[in-house]
Amino acid sequence: QVQLMESGGGVVQPGRSLRLSCAASGFTFSRNGMHWVRQAPGKGLEWVAVISFDGNNKYYADSVKGRFTISRDNSKNTLYLQMNSLRAEDTAVYYCAKDTTIFGVAAYFDYWGQGTLVTVSS
Amino acid sequence: QSVLTQPPSVSGAPGQRVTISCTGSRSNIGAGYDVHWYQHLPGTAPKLLIYGNSNRPSGVPDRFSGSKSGTSASLAITGLQAEDEADYYCQSYDSSLSGEVFGTGTKVTVL
Repeated sequence: QVQLMESGGGVVQPGRSLRLSCAASGFTFSRNGMHWVRQAPGKGLEWVAVISFDGNNKYYADSVKGRFTISRDNSKNTLYLQMNSLRAEDTAVYYCAKDTTIFGVAAYFDYWGQGTLVTVSS
Repeated sequence: QSVLTQPPSVSGAPGQRVTISCTGSRSNIGAGYDVHWYQHLPGTAPKLLIYGNSNRPSGVPDRFSGSKSGTSASLAITGLQAEDEADYYCQSYDSSLSGEVFGTGTKVTVL
């Protein structure tokens, strides 16, 4: 069965960096686009970023563009999110989600992880 | 900021039918992009309910149905059950933003 397991969350000061990981299993990781989606406390879901199956195409929400970098290692079946210059408004539960397509554009998410909490606070 | 608008809450008695609207614009739903729906219980992984406007993944009860028309979409839940109490989100693609977008979310309460 498909499993997605996020890790790397925690408490970090404003302006600092954090890297999230998402370990995937139960499907051929290198054949699917992958996304990060977040949910701030008391708020709705917000799409953050997508990476294509081969890592060559990446797109970001305007709110994180220039600060966050999505990447993947298909040899390790792992998705990453490097978060720099963190702000209080980045505080959220971060989910990784599997796409049903290879490019991850205009698609949907058939499996999600349980999420990892990132708290940006001094 | 969400570009897809949903009612904050809907409620119904067990057995009743409720609908959730998702209103977009010409750069997302109105541009022909598909709408998908998710059920989310706090602290858990969101679950895909409807994909491609009206298709149910295997395992999703046929009490859940979706439709799309113009710049809007709807999710209907018939025969409402206590276990349906959750948050529901629509999702589509926006060509102006070049990314996926979610609705504002709707909390369903079973009275």
